[in-house]
Amino acid sequence: QQQVKQSPQSLIVQKGGISIINCAYENTAFDYFPWYQQFPGKGPALLIAIRPDVSEKKEGRFTISFNKSAKQFSLHIMDSQPGDSATYFCAAILRNTSYDKVIFGPGTSLSVIP
Amino acid sequence: DAGVIQSPRHEVTEMGQEVTLRCKPISGHNSLFWYRQTMMRGLELLIYFNNNVPIDDSGMPEDRFSAKMPNASFSTLKIQPSEPRDSAVYFCASSLAPHGRHEQYFGPGTRLTVT
Repeated sequence: QQQVKQSPQSLIVQKGGISIINCAYENTAFDYFPWYQQFPGKGPALLIAIRPDVSEKKEGRFTISFNKSAKQFSLHIMDSQPGDSATYFCAAILRNTSYDKVIFGPGTSLSVIP
Repeated sequence: DAGVIQSPRHEVTEMGQEVTLRCKPISGHNSLFWYRQTMMRGLELLIYFNNNVPIDDSGMPEDRFSAKMPNASFSTLKIQPSEPRDSAVYFCASSLAPHGRHEQYFGPGTRLTVT
């Protein structure tokens, strides 16, 4: 129940296209949904995040869509660029009395080709 | 700020040897996390410290793994004895506080290879 599912495992998109990564969860106790971006040889870095009472959040070319009833959320990258090539992790935060624990999805490797 | 600092960046060791990974969190952050990343299992939380005290070590795989945080600016993850299945990238991350959805800042990782 603590799992976050993510698809596809890998994605190839042409420059200028839209990249879409989908995630799903079961645990209704999750209360915050961040996305992390990881470049080769680097640690993950926070990209964008959304609260479950919001259906969409946009930051530049990156948009999160959130469907609370379906327990699904997705990342859209508009006008994808070669510099966006990285691994993307969706995540969900599980609150407990001690700390906010981040549960990561398995990741999507995105390649944007010129 | 230099961000989270980890050393070494790469470690190659033989099975049975002791391995010590080091981490310096961002100054002022009171939460520190150790993660392991593999292709098979993704990013797994190993242990979480708050104010230098281990709070959640349920992710530590077995007794061969141990972690310490002697002060607010230094933490170690030790594997003794190491095994080939411990080969992975180990990340340290820190955040400002345990609650409030604070961003976790990751270090560059230590790539461990056990032969």
